Amino acid sequence: EAGVAQSPRYKIIEKRQSVAFWCNPISGHATLYWYQQILGQGPKLLIQFQNNGVVDDSQLPKDRFSAERLKGVDSTLKIQPAKLEDSAVYLCASSPDQGAKAFFGQGTRLTVV
Amino acid sequence: TQLLEQSPQFLSIQEGENLTVYCNSSSVFSSLQWYRQEPGEGPVLLVTVVTGGEVKKLKRLTFQFGDARKDSSLHITAAQPGDTGLYLCPPGDQFYFGTGTSLTVIP
Repeated sequence: EAGVAQSPRYKIIEKRQSVAFWCNPISGHATLYWYQQILGQGPKLLIQFQNNGVVDDSQLPKDRFSAERLKGVDSTLKIQPAKLEDSAVYLCASSPDQGAKAFFGQGTRLTVV
Repeated sequence: TQLLEQSPQFLSIQEGENLTVYCNSSSVFSSLQWYRQEPGEGPVLLVTVVTGGEVKKLKRLTFQFGDARKDSSLHITAAQPGDTGLYLCPPGDQFYFGTGTSLTVIP
C-alpha cells in the first residue's frame, strides 16, 4: 500500500518569499491533516479536511497560511509571505475517516533565512 | 482542545535499561493513541487504548490506560537504540499532540 506522499522533501527560502507544499494522501482516505512541527516540539495541527471541506482550521495563521483540497484528494499548503519563525517540518497525514488511525508522510523541512 | 501532559519531556538512557513515560490529563478520554516518531520521519501509530485499565503489549513495550481513562503510561523493557524517538499520546478522536517525550537510547 502506498503511503502518504509529500513534496518537496526540503525547501530553503528567504523571509517574505512564498512557498507551497504538496500532499497526496493514501487512496480512499477521506480525512487529511496538515501539521507544523517546530524542532523539539510535538506536531501542531494546522488544518483538518474531511473530503474537500474544512473541519478545523482554528490554529492556522490565516493571515499568511492557506490550504486547499479542491477535489477531496491532493492538498496544498501555502505560506505567503514566510517569516523566520515558520521554519519547521510540515507534516501531512491522512486517515480513512475522522478519529481513525492516521498515516503520516515524511514531511517537508522548511528553512526560512 | 484537550491536551495531555507528557513526562518526562526528555529521557536519555543506556541500552538494556527499563523506562516508563507518562501521559496525564484532568479530562476523560474515550481512547488514547501512542505514536513514535523517529528522527526525520513522520509519527507512526503504535497502539490505541480504549478501555479503562486496559493493558496492551507490543513486544518489549507495555501500554496501560488508567482506570479513569484520564492517563496512560508506556513501559519499555530492555530499551534498544531502535526505540529512540519522540513518543506522543494524542486523544484517540482528536489529533492534537502535546510536546511528547524525546527518548534517546545510548548503545
